[in-house]
Parts: sequence; C-alpha cells; structure tokens
Amino acid sequence: DIQMTQSPFSVSVSIGDRVTITCRASQDISSGLAWYQQKPGKAPKLLIYTASTLQTGVPSRFSGSGSGTDFTLTISSLQPEDFATYYCQQVNNFPLTFGGGTKVEIK
Amino acid sequence: EVQLVESGGSLVQPGGSLRLSCAGSGFIFSDYHMNWVRQAPGKGLEWVAYMKRDGSAKYYLDSVKGRFTISRDNARNSLYLQMNSLRAEDTAVYYCVRDPVRGDGYNFDYWGQGTLVTVSS
Repeated sequence: DIQMTQSPFSVSVSIGDRVTITCRASQDISSGLAWYQQKPGKAPKLLIYTASTLQTGVPSRFSGSGSGTDFTLTISSLQPEDFATYYCQQVNNFPLTFGGGTKVEIK
Repeated sequence: EVQLVESGGSLVQPGGSLRLSCAGSGFIFSDYHMNWVRQAPGKGLEWVAYMKRDGSAKYYLDSVKGRFTISRDNARNSLYLQMNSLRAEDTAVYYCVRDPVRGDGYNFDYWGQGTLVTVSS
C-alpha cells in the first residue's frame, strides 16, 4: 500500500497569511495526487487533482505543485472561509489512501 | 445539480449487518464509477470500496474484504454497501462518492452528506 504523510499536523495562521502544506508518498506516484478541504460537520470538497489542476470553482489562491513523492498545497492569502482540515490522496493504486490531514486554525 | 444522498446508517451490535444506500441525481449515474469512503469520529478519511460504472470491477480495503459488498443498480441510480460481521472499528460516517472518470486516476469530485454507522453493544 502507498502511505501518504502530511505535515504539519496543524498550523495556526492569520487572515492574509500564506500557508503551505506538504504531502509525501511512500513511493513514486508521478502526478497522481488530489487535495481536499473539509470543514467541521461537512463532506470533503475536491480542490486540486493531478497535483496541480484546480477543480472548477475553486479560488485561484489555492495552488498545488510537486511530482513523484513530494507535493505541496499552497494558499496564497488565507481567507476566513479557508479555516478547515486539508487532506491529500494518492489516486493511482488501490487501496486509495489519504494523508492524515492538516488542520488550519486561526491564530 | 449533482446530488448524492446516503441512507441506512444506524446503531448496530458487533457481528451485526447493515445495508447502506446512496441515491444519485443530477447526472447520468451509469457514466460514473462510484466509491464508499468513511471517517471515524474525530479521525481522517479512509477509502472503503470502489465499483466501476458498468459493474465489471470492484475493489475493497483489506480490512473489509469478505465482510462488505459494494453493488449498484444503474436503472435506479443507486449505490449500495452491504456490511456484515460489523466490528467496533467500522464505526464511522460513510460517504457515497463519485469518481469524475477523467482518466487521470481515481479521485472524488462529489460527496454525499454521509450516514453514521455506530457499532456498539
């Protein structure tokens, strides 16, 4: 199975800050990575697929990069609605696996 | 508007069975692969099962193999998860999730609101 490791576990930030979340795969997954946002009590929402492609309707302050084993989700200027937990997921092989999540909190 | 609506979650004793259902609308159900993804209380996301749009392929998380069965009825725009021999560790919110079938891997573009399964005596 491909293990996905996210860091940090949580981050405290202010409105307008730049936020970077990293995700590492236990083996090469090329660009086979997706990012999701989940708010408390809600279902996750797809933000980015193929490592860097923005899902329709997602604000351009979100961006993704990376390939192989190391990936990054960046929020260029954090907005109030961005406080949430973020998950990465490898999309290449079954079992499909997620990272443990990164909680973005208000400082 | 794409909608996925799960039902069937409840409190069940260890060793018991439950059948979850998911009704899809707002899209051509038979064009899309479908999945179940779960989330234990306060924990992260865990993929459970996948079914190809025509039913020709199914995949499962190892810990549910032999106990859970995914199925679908494209005529009824519905996805199912039959869960047998339930364990405490199966306690979670179960989401019905659509795969966009873009040919770029197995990801999830639409999620239902989830249905809670609690396994406890």
